[in-house]
Amino acid sequence: DAGITQSPRHKVTETGTPVTLRCHQTENHRYMYWYRQDPGHGLRLIHYSYGVKDTDKGEVSDGYSVSRSKTEDFLLTLESATSSQTSVYFCAISDRGWGYEQYFGPGTRLTVT
Amino acid sequence: KQEVTQIPAALSVPEGENLVLNCSFTDSAIYNLQWFRQDPGKGLTSLLLIQSSQREQTSGRLNASLDKSSGRSTLYIAASQPGDSATYLCAVTKTGANNLFFGTGTRLTVIP
Repeated sequence: DAGITQSPRHKVTETGTPVTLRCHQTENHRYMYWYRQDPGHGLRLIHYSYGVKDTDKGEVSDGYSVSRSKTEDFLLTLESATSSQTSVYFCAISDRGWGYEQYFGPGTRLTVT
Repeated sequence: KQEVTQIPAALSVPEGENLVLNCSFTDSAIYNLQWFRQDPGKGLTSLLLIQSSQREQTSGRLNASLDKSSGRSTLYIAASQPGDSATYLCAVTKTGANNLFFGTGTRLTVIP
């Protein structure tokens, strides 16, 4: 397995609270991605990074922000969590960008009550 | 926007059977197509990646084909085993779009 960890693995939080999810990789891959997985929607891209401090929005970026201060860490922040952000969040990495394989982390199950 | 469809949503087969999973996409301008496996409560594992210029890729008992012009891909699993039980997802990278578009998957159960 690619060296990708996500923390926390499970979290329950209340509406309106800030939440930060962490993705950590040991592969030194340049590209990192955040997806959410919801029943009936498949996985959808939230944000991605193409290098340290270089990030861009994905398909469902509203309500989310990201930061990448070093190669190995990519943080996803929900500034004020809402119930619609209840989901399973996956981080992925790749070494050569969109045309190449992505390797996924184990996921974080987030419940917003 | 690229729409990716996988039918059926669920499939049960007896052990040893050969089977085909289907994936269709609406925009044929793709860069590549990937097949993933997802076990319950786990992340995705990449199985095969087919570049748009390729027709098929093989890995062990798995064979994926791509017909870009018709917007279809199939994943063929030979001699299925109970350990193949999982959800199989396909995803396409659309040319010029920084995104990976996923289908909702086919949940496969192989009955011993």
